[in-house]
Amino acid sequence: DQQVKQNSPSLSVQEGRISILNCDYTNSMFDYFLWYKKYPAEGPTFLISISSIKDKNEDGRFTVFLNKSAKHLSLHIVPSQPGDSAVYFCAARDFNNDMRFGAGTRLTVKP
Amino acid sequence: DTGVSQNPRHKITKRGQNVTFRCDPISEHNRLYWYRQTLGQGPEFLTYFQNEAQLEKSRLLSDRFSAERPKGSFSTLEIQRTEQGDSAMYLCASSLAGRVFGNTIYFGEGSWLTVV
Repeated sequence: DQQVKQNSPSLSVQEGRISILNCDYTNSMFDYFLWYKKYPAEGPTFLISISSIKDKNEDGRFTVFLNKSAKHLSLHIVPSQPGDSAVYFCAARDFNNDMRFGAGTRLTVKP
Repeated sequence: DTGVSQNPRHKITKRGQNVTFRCDPISEHNRLYWYRQTLGQGPEFLTYFQNEAQLEKSRLLSDRFSAERPKGSFSTLEIQRTEQGDSAMYLCASSLAGRVFGNTIYFGEGSWLTVV
């Protein structure tokens, strides 16, 4: 069962523009959401997170938005840079501390 | 301290052989997780330990898979009688226990397994 879905397998944006990566979830018991970034042949690295009591969290160029009623979160990267090119995974944690991951979105930022 | 360390980074083995992967977590982390990732998919949970106790195992963890964390520090994941379908990246991660927001799990670089 896919409780966390990233419906766009890939996204391409121009350097300097905004990248928006989307994630949907089905389990209303998820209370903590994270984004991980993964380069080829490396493990995922933590990027940014948000708890369910918030609707926005910002860290430099990265902002995560959470819409609990729609069970949707998004990651905004502004401005996008070529070094941001990677696969981005959305993850959600439930009350058992169980973490579920989406299938990932490959972001390509073109110079 | 460095992050989560895994070895070997790459392993090619013949079908039917046994393989073992090792994970050294971040030193103050008492939780250790094993995930598996195949191409085009996100990490899939296999099992996790809190200290030396294995608290949960996924249905994905068949009886050919066994994980240990004997002293609550490093962990090993053994796959017996490997099959081609076991080819994947095996990711180890660690975190602090508890439901404090910010208890993020941190991943190692992964161990690639290719079964030929």
